[in-house]
Amino acid sequence: QQPVQSPQAVILREGEDAVINCSSSKALYSVHWYRQKHGEAPVFLMILLKGGEQKGHDKISASFNEKKQQSSLYLTASQLSYSGTYFCGTLTGGGNKLTFGTGTQLKVEL
Amino acid sequence: DAGVIQSPRHEVTEMGQEVTLRCKPISGHNSLFWYRQTMMRGLELLIYFNNNVPIDDSGMPEDRFSAKMPNASFSTLKIQPSEPRDSAVYFCAITQEGGGNTGELFFGEGSRLTVL
Repeated sequence: QQPVQSPQAVILREGEDAVINCSSSKALYSVHWYRQKHGEAPVFLMILLKGGEQKGHDKISASFNEKKQQSSLYLTASQLSYSGTYFCGTLTGGGNKLTFGTGTQLKVEL
Repeated sequence: DAGVIQSPRHEVTEMGQEVTLRCKPISGHNSLFWYRQTMMRGLELLIYFNNNVPIDDSGMPEDRFSAKMPNASFSTLKIQPSEPRDSAVYFCAITQEGGGNTGELFFGEGSRLTVL
């Protein structure tokens, strides 16, 4: 079953912060985050492998709450280049079957 | 660098015609995936291969869809006969082989299919 993301869409002014949430109905082994710009392929942002793990690069970070079967992506001091659709991808068992979430459209404006 | 080449980039065809989409990994990989993306259903996994062997094809919509991976450098996704509801962007993706494998998916640029 597809993970559910919230919000579905968000509009920010440059410099504002945002949080994107990803919830699964199944136990999670790992969570991936990807960003897709219009007309392009999804691009990997980061992977979280353990419950409680937090990661970040630049001003984008993420956390993984294994018990709650949730992950959150944090974007701080947003830039125009952050615009796109963000997807979480979850692994819920052995193997490589990565299931993507419903997506969150993010638009950053001046 | 890991990468995938897909062809064709765009295809417009009529209902009932056979469609073949191609994927060529240009680097070593462990697994190869076919995803379909539509506005309504998002990114759906159709099938994936490990070491050229199909592992999970539970996402393949119906018998009209088939996928093959005859060798490590090539995979095809075939739709026969095609229907308008098959219109979508089809992505091929790989995970990189070796010690650098973090599970990251490297996507091709996609094949946009329109069935009239």
